[in-house]
Amino acid sequence: EAGVAQSPRYKIIEKRQSVAFWCNPISGHATLYWYQQILGQGPKLLIQFQNNGVVDDSQLPKDRFSAERLKGVDSTLKIQPAKLEDSAVYLCASSLGGSGKYNEQFFGPGTRLTVL
Amino acid sequence: AQKITQTQPGMFVQEKEAVTLDCTYDTSDQSYGLFWYKQPSSGEMIFLIYQGSYDEQNATEGRYSLNFQKARKSANLVISASQLGDSAMYFCAMRSYGYALNFGKGTSLLVTP
Repeated sequence: EAGVAQSPRYKIIEKRQSVAFWCNPISGHATLYWYQQILGQGPKLLIQFQNNGVVDDSQLPKDRFSAERLKGVDSTLKIQPAKLEDSAVYLCASSLGGSGKYNEQFFGPGTRLTVL
Repeated sequence: AQKITQTQPGMFVQEKEAVTLDCTYDTSDQSYGLFWYKQPSSGEMIFLIYQGSYDEQNATEGRYSLNFQKARKSANLVISASQLGDSAMYFCAMRSYGYALNFGKGTSLLVTP
């Protein structure tokens, strides 16, 4: 089966510019996650969707970050305006949903953002 | 609040030897899951092994085993017969209600010939 797709793979922007990332989860996966991974750290959850509803966005900097998941499939994450500290890898993951053992999260290849 | 602690920033192991990567956690939840992921230099996160808080047996997946000590709140990863391809970052993570993963800072493992 196809994995989680993300684009672009790399992006370089100037601070105060806007950027958007796209994620296509594994077919049939109800839950979609966006994580931010700053260099030298573990991934940190930004937002979690269940179908097209938000489950958790408590760590999303809402003054500059926004995300949507239209029709419960693809998702976009936007940063406007970008700051230097937003330089990171943005990982998208998806899972079937549920709290059982088999709710394994599958990760995409990530988008590496550099803000100059 | 959950917290995952990985105290080893970097580890070295010789090929074919076993290595243990440490992970301790803190949670007030009774039901939770513990995960280990591998992240090679290419960046993808690869799931290795899972342990549920109510699982009585330690999890094993091929050369990976999880040494789960619930009372001590530790979930160490043991890699047996290390291979050069095991060189990567390794992340311990926890999940409870809400399903999102809470990751530690990771341990960099280098396998030498």
